[in-house]
Amino acid sequence: AQSVTQPDIHITVSEGASLELRCNYSYGATPYLFWYVQSPGQGLQLLLKYFSGDTLVQGIKGFEAEFKRSQSSFNLRKPSVHWSDAAEYFCAVGHLSGGGADGLTFGKGTHLIIQP
Amino acid sequence: GAVVSQHPSWVICKSGTSVKIECRSLDFQATTMFWYRQFPKQSLMLMATSNEGSKATYEQGVEKDKFLINHASLTLSTLTVTSAHPEDSSFYICSARKASGRSDTQYFGPGTRLTVL
Repeated sequence: AQSVTQPDIHITVSEGASLELRCNYSYGATPYLFWYVQSPGQGLQLLLKYFSGDTLVQGIKGFEAEFKRSQSSFNLRKPSVHWSDAAEYFCAVGHLSGGGADGLTFGKGTHLIIQP
Repeated sequence: GAVVSQHPSWVICKSGTSVKIECRSLDFQATTMFWYRQFPKQSLMLMATSNEGSKATYEQGVEKDKFLINHASLTLSTLTVTSAHPEDSSFYICSARKASGRSDTQYFGPGTRLTVL
């Protein structure tokens, strides 16, 4: 069975500082990986996804993530955070079947707090 | 764009009643939609996969007779919580899969907060 681990429940970062959110997955084949952000009262917004190809993926809002198969990781990074980045971040893994990606397995999320 | 809406955004009902939640893909067709459940400060758990024109596929441990799913068109899936009880109170989120070759993406609705008294 596939699983996703986000080891950090909360992370506090000063505004303007760099950010790295960790994500490790367990999956028997090539994973289909996602990072989503959830702000209070809003739905999940896709930041970026990895399917194949270049292991460094660029996303929206200045985020990027790097797929490392040897470490089973897909960590999310941003060089300089803004106060508006404060939110809940979810890493997810999906199975790719003949009809497309199946339902996703989510990590428990990392709550990002931005200090002024 | 790829916008998914849910209605209602929140609902309060009495124990024993049924509640229907709608999920619509507004600007694309979705042959497959998914229903998730999120408890406070926890992750999303996949409940079922909804396929247009066929029966839904439920995850292990999810009661199909309690959570009725109907995917009657390419833009609408509904989740009906039957005979709701307080333990069914949760945040229900749908997603719609937008095809893009093999690299398709799920777009999520804003969620529906269900409170059962």
